[in-house]
Amino acid sequence: SYELTQPPSVSVSPGQTARITCSGDALPKQYAYWYQQKPGQAPVLVIYKDSERPSGIPERFSGSSSGTTVTLTISGVQAEDEADYYCQSADSSGTYPWVFGGGTKLTVL
Amino acid sequence: QLQLQESGPGLVKPSETLSLTCTVSGGSISSSSYYWGWIRQPPGKGLEWIGSIYYSGSTYYNPSLKSRVTISVDTSKNQFSLKLSSVTAADTAVYYCARSIGEGTVTTGYWYFDLWGRGTLVTVSS
Repeated sequence: SYELTQPPSVSVSPGQTARITCSGDALPKQYAYWYQQKPGQAPVLVIYKDSERPSGIPERFSGSSSGTTVTLTISGVQAEDEADYYCQSADSSGTYPWVFGGGTKLTVL
Repeated sequence: QLQLQESGPGLVKPSETLSLTCTVSGGSISSSSYYWGWIRQPPGKGLEWIGSIYYSGSTYYNPSLKSRVTISVDTSKNQFSLKLSSVTAADTAVYYCARSIGEGTVTTGYWYFDLWGRGTLVTVSS
């Protein structure tokens, strides 16, 4: 199977910068996507194609890629950003065209 | 604005088949630009892709679930459906349907979920 690895948790104070990583062997060849999920709600796409931001997503959300790791960066974190964040990508063989990371709980202190 | 809505039984007995339907409103499921997928989330756990279908009926399944999963599409009703057989307590989860957008083929292009339903909790218990 193909796995995307995320840290279980990240904590930051309001106004600080949060960085959430996602690692996978195929990431140099595959785009990554990021979803935000608040309790009791469906996931919402916040970053697509590594670094593109959908309409309506605040500019403080950004994405980057370097080798086998992609990073979601939230600048000037606000209390409302507290949520679970999931990366999604695909493996290089086509066996797993959609695969999710295990998720990262972002806590705003 | 396009919306997706899951429907189906909230309680399924062990060894039976879980059946859910996703109704697409505000747009056509027959668009050539999208795949339609099912994703689940056990209580307190992460997201797991179950499978996806194109309006023509082409399907892609998670290899770990492939032997138990069937996804079908009914373009006349603007719906797609999930069947998961031989369920156990481990299949208890919130089940989401979602629209996938991207480019290229599924195996050589890129695809991601841009629109999700609200999800429905399915509990497997006798």
